[in-house]
Amino acid sequence: DSGVTQTPKHLITATGQRVTLRCSPRSGDLSVYWYQQSLDQGLQFLIQYYNGEERAKGNILERFSAQQFPDLHSELNLSSLELGDSALYFCASSLGQEPNTGELFFGEGSRLTVL
Amino acid sequence: AQTVTQSQPEMSVQEAETVTLSCTYDTSENNYYLFWYKQPPSRQMILVIRQEAYKQQNATENRFSVNFQKAAKSFSLKISDSQLGDTAMYFCAFMKPNTGNQFYFGTGTSLTVIP
Repeated sequence: DSGVTQTPKHLITATGQRVTLRCSPRSGDLSVYWYQQSLDQGLQFLIQYYNGEERAKGNILERFSAQQFPDLHSELNLSSLELGDSALYFCASSLGQEPNTGELFFGEGSRLTVL
Repeated sequence: AQTVTQSQPEMSVQEAETVTLSCTYDTSENNYYLFWYKQPPSRQMILVIRQEAYKQQNATENRFSVNFQKAAKSFSLKISDSQLGDTAMYFCAFMKPNTGNQFYFGTGTSLTVIP
């Protein structure tokens, strides 16, 4: 158990809909990362938050948004969903801005299926 | 931008044998970190091994070791005495510190250990 909790584990929805994925980081971790894993595109970095503020942004679509709350949990909002958004969405956390121990602690992921 | 390439989409190895997974990366940085992550069928991402670029000595963790060739920008993972539980996707990752700690992942190598 990594200590990172993601909900829901599975989600099925229709095109055009909006969903919210939630992540609770490991206790004490200030940084939260979101990744998208599709079958044909490997692991894509979406966005990172550190202590409530956006720290780095990757290949995140404008239809997607995220935030980190004062209690450090994070939510990833996906709107106007398309079939291609079907993927496994991972949240990861680390102690601080620099995980110099080299370890990201990953959640089990949220499997999103868009029909 | 940093890129990470894993040129072996799939590999297999007999139980108890040794297998090497390849990874190359492209960067102009001198200080960085390299990692191998494992994703078993349970889909949880787990850190296998890390290497700091400033260290010349290759990292070793029990049956897992790396061959880090900084000049060649190569970072291969050797798994000795392969076990059935080693069956998983293996991702090579690059991280440059002090930039928001964005991790760059390869597309992964699916390893199957054959009994």
